[in-house]
Amino acid sequence: GNSVTQMEGPVTLSEEAFLTINCTYTATGYPSLFWYVQYPGEGLQLLLKATKADDKGSNKGFEATYRKETTSFHLEKGSVQVSDSAVYFCALKNNFNKFYFGSGTKLNVKP
Amino acid sequence: SAVISQKPSRDICQRGTSLTIQCQVDSQVTMMFWYRQQPGQSLTLIATANQGSEATYESGFVIDKFPISRPNLTFSTLTVSNMSPEDSSIYLCSVLGDRDGYTFGSGTRLTVV
Repeated sequence: GNSVTQMEGPVTLSEEAFLTINCTYTATGYPSLFWYVQYPGEGLQLLLKATKADDKGSNKGFEATYRKETTSFHLEKGSVQVSDSAVYFCALKNNFNKFYFGSGTKLNVKP
Repeated sequence: SAVISQKPSRDICQRGTSLTIQCQVDSQVTMMFWYRQQPGQSLTLIATANQGSEATYESGFVIDKFPISRPNLTFSTLTVSNMSPEDSSIYLCSVLGDRDGYTFGSGTRLTVV
């Protein structure tokens, strides 16, 4: 089957710290992988994506690499800001355009 | 990418009543998707709304509880019927965007008292 597992939060970091949010998946076929971000009081926004193995998605200083050998798509950022405080969702889309979301990881960045 | 206007943004409703949520897309789309996000949890797909045909519901969701309309290619509604406190959630509509991912509406935060 298809599923996404991501690290539980909340994750609390100081400004300018390095961020990693782990995400692993199980899937049949060749899924596309996504990270979505949900800022307080808002809907989800697409942050980045990767459509095949070894692809790296990047946006706003965040990046994630599609690792087929470890079935992972970990989100990283070298220096977080207070404005990055949000909930981050890892997701996959299977060959039938059906999405599966992880449980979300809340990030709190303190000044 | 598509822009989705969703309303209401939030509502507080009495148990036993119904609420209809509207989503308007600024371009024509074949499929629209309705999700539920319960407090502290991830997104669960309720149904896929296709223009001109009945919506396709996921396991655990039924048309009597969550009737969906899709009168044209830019608009859809989801009704949460006979509400109970367990229906308190954020409800989101979405479409497949041109970047291969979803574009989401801003969500409707529903509280049932």
